[in-house]
Amino acid sequence: KNQVEQSPQSLIILEGKNCTLQCNYTVSPFSNLRWYKQDTGRGPVSLTIMTFSENTKSNGRYTATLDADTKQSSLHITASQLSDSASYICVVGREGNTPLVFGKGTRLSVIA
Amino acid sequence: DGGITQSPKYLFRKEGQNVTLSCEQNLNHDAMYWYRQDPGQGLRLIYYSQIVNDFQKGDIAEGYSVSREKKESFPLTVTSAQKNPTAFYLCASSPQQGASRSGYTFGSGTRLTVV
Repeated sequence: KNQVEQSPQSLIILEGKNCTLQCNYTVSPFSNLRWYKQDTGRGPVSLTIMTFSENTKSNGRYTATLDADTKQSSLHITASQLSDSASYICVVGREGNTPLVFGKGTRLSVIA
Repeated sequence: DGGITQSPKYLFRKEGQNVTLSCEQNLNHDAMYWYRQDPGQGLRLIYYSQIVNDFQKGDIAEGYSVSREKKESFPLTVTSAQKNPTAFYLCASSPQQGASRSGYTFGSGTRLTVV
């Protein structure tokens, strides 16, 4: 079954600290992996995308990694800010004409 | 500006009534999708459409209906058969499905509450 599992379910960190979110997937045939950020009450916005041959991608303070062999990805947030408080969703695309597979997300709260 | 617009942002419905959520995009995208999101849950696919006049059921299509008469528009009707319709509904579009490097562009969502 095509699934995307994320951990932790929720996370609270102090402003200025770093954190890492995890994503494991069993989706095949694999095409790409994205991380989305979703603010409360808003639609998700794409942060990064990686294909099979890419193992790291950065977008400002966000750095995503991908290990296609172990089917794991992580999203590292550096020097967190209050505005980073949001849900972060791992999304995997399959080859062929099929919808993306979404994880349930990690709810991150950054506190002062 | 190109984008995808959902309306209304908030919607209240009495039990037993049908209600239609609007989704319009001016991105010239071929594919459009409807997702449902419940508190603490991930996005669940309701319906999707790859071309005009064609659509497919997602994982939780029961109690919902859609139409795709125009490329730009993909309205979702929540019928009285949907037992628990209170949720946050997200519409998305993409140039093509799945492997597209462009991914999905999401609307800002409609929060539906049954009163």
